Amino acid sequence: GAGVSQSPSNKVTEKGKDVELRCDPISGHTALYWYRQSLGQGLEFLIYFQGNSAPDKSGLPSDRFSAERTGGSVSTLTIQRTQQEDSAVYLCASSRTYSGNTIYFGEGSWLTVV
Amino acid sequence: AQTVTQSQPEMSVQEAETVTLSCTYDTSESDYYLFWYKQPPSRQMILVIRQEAYKQQNATENRFSVNFQKAAKSFSLKISDSQLGDAAMYFCAYRSSDSNYQLIWGAGTKLIIKP
Repeated sequence: GAGVSQSPSNKVTEKGKDVELRCDPISGHTALYWYRQSLGQGLEFLIYFQGNSAPDKSGLPSDRFSAERTGGSVSTLTIQRTQQEDSAVYLCASSRTYSGNTIYFGEGSWLTVV
Repeated sequence: AQTVTQSQPEMSVQEAETVTLSCTYDTSESDYYLFWYKQPPSRQMILVIRQEAYKQQNATENRFSVNFQKAAKSFSLKISDSQLGDAAMYFCAYRSSDSNYQLIWGAGTKLIIKP
């Protein structure tokens, strides 16, 4: 597509429920990134994909967080048993390759856990 | 480890005037990339300008320009002829030139444009 597309744009969920956030990167971009941005804060790196593999999962806050990418394109970030501290904007980004290229961002998915 | 510091939590400027946002960083690397991103209320991070460390010439994009001082590890953003649409959070970011894919982010500066 023309840009990075994320869905849902906004999600309100009850504490303890599972949520899935979707990211469709720019066509042809092999690298895909997930970041989290809490209110008034900078970006926190979560995970990075090169193709379908995730060389670095060190940013995932806990084992309740997981992500996958299939077909070298769409990625899903899953949060199990959501907690109130998971409330944040989840930003997805992509770049042509993983080294030295500009990263382009989607508009984010705003998750609120009540 | 690399760090990025934005010392101005908030800046305001009169419409049509010029404003400079500051950013400093710390690194032991000689080759890297620096970015300014803008985040309006829509939340999307929009790339404003990019600078390669090996280039001495300061990057410019229309009304946006940077003052890149490699020795001082400073990367300030100048916005000329400020417009109401420039109001946003501005983030400075650092990226290594090798396979280190992570962007290191500053805390952001909120820019307010006064009509």
